[in-house]
Amino acid sequence: SQQGEEDPQALSIQEGENATMNCSYKTSINNLQWYRQNSGRGLVHLILIRSNEREKHSGRLRVTLDTSKKSSSLLITASRAADTASYFCATDTNSGYSTLTFGKGTMLLVSP
Amino acid sequence: DAGVIQSPRHEVTEMGQEVTLRCKPISGHDYLFWYRQTMMRGLELLIYFNNNVPIDDSGMPEDRFSAKMPNASFSTLKIQPSEPRDSAVYFCASSHGLATKQFFGPGTRLTVL
Repeated sequence: SQQGEEDPQALSIQEGENATMNCSYKTSINNLQWYRQNSGRGLVHLILIRSNEREKHSGRLRVTLDTSKKSSSLLITASRAADTASYFCATDTNSGYSTLTFGKGTMLLVSP
Repeated sequence: DAGVIQSPRHEVTEMGQEVTLRCKPISGHDYLFWYRQTMMRGLELLIYFNNNVPIDDSGMPEDRFSAKMPNASFSTLKIQPSEPRDSAVYFCASSHGLATKQFFGPGTRLTVL
């Protein structure tokens, strides 16, 4: 079963608007990561937030983590057409050696 | 650094043929991962290596799939014989540490006719 699941599956906005994507997971984690995938390309790491952190910023990206609700959100402010991509959350499990499990992603379309 | 390098970028083959995908990880990374991505199943971890040693291959779908890492700078994923349901994009990724930031290659799009 999926550890992380993104919501919504698809999101369409206009340039300049903010985009919010959510990720829910099932088991306790050490950290949660967000990745971006442009069409036909590999995934690119955006940001990592640890289980003891609540919020993290990187440029126009803001990630929050609520471990009590087992959820995270990725906010992209002032979106640009170049932000059009799929966004994935990835989690490990807080149980010894654990690899990352990726969700199925949110497809974001930013129209000029 | 050139990043993770994969070859070929595209592969079209006929059912029953052997397919070999190649990966060169980022120098100094001690973990290498092979993933498969499809619309239906998303991104699935097939196998990963630590310091060239296979650690967990539970994601390898069948005995038709095998992977090797003969040295720190090269890994292969082989499918023999290939089947149409193997059609997918295969990614290689590397990292310094197990559940840390992963660096993905551009992927190999495999089509089995």
